[in-house]
Amino acid sequence: TQLLEQSPQFLSIQEGENLTVYCNSSSVFSSLQWYRQEPGEGPVLLVTVVTGGEVKKLKRLTFQFGDARKDSSLHITAAQPGDTGLYLCAGESITDKLIFGTGTRLQVFP
Amino acid sequence: DAGVIQSPRHEVTEMGQEVTLRCKPISGHNSLFWYRQTMMRGLELLIYFNNNVPIDDSGMPEDRFSAKMPNASFSTLKIQPSEPRDSAVYFCASSTDSHSTGELFFGEGSRLTVL
Repeated sequence: TQLLEQSPQFLSIQEGENLTVYCNSSSVFSSLQWYRQEPGEGPVLLVTVVTGGEVKKLKRLTFQFGDARKDSSLHITAAQPGDTGLYLCAGESITDKLIFGTGTRLQVFP
Repeated sequence: DAGVIQSPRHEVTEMGQEVTLRCKPISGHNSLFWYRQTMMRGLELLIYFNNNVPIDDSGMPEDRFSAKMPNASFSTLKIQPSEPRDSAVYFCASSTDSHSTGELFFGEGSRLTVL
């Protein structure tokens, strides 16, 4: 079974700080997606990475797919209260299913 | 544009009762997914449909769970009889991708509490 472990599980920071969230697996994924979920809402796709080593930027968010396509990271620069939410990575498995990670719950205080 | 619409948003019921959750996917999307989210197990795929046909129901936990998609604009997830361990947020999602790995558009979820 392919699993995606995210760390840290919880993160509370002050506005303006930088942070990195990690998504790790012992398995290879064909592609990897990052979603953000706000309270009372469903997850919303932020980005999809496909190529090993790929880096994508979305304003203050930088996403990287590991060279071996087994891991990914999300870096947020100068976090804002609006970044608060549950961050989920999701990998396309060898069985052509989307496997969701365990999630990182981020709280940014003003 | 309307997104994925789910109902009810909240449901509280007693153990043994039948629960029916409803979903209207985004018009033009040909894949529909039912997920369950809990603190302990995260987001789990229960079943997905492509062009109204169930493709993979291996995530459906027990025979108490059933899902139907009678047409392209409506799907139901039914639990009969319900148990306290079924308490969770149930999400419906739709996609234009015929595979289960494309971008998913989620509804706001149905929070189920079984007492």
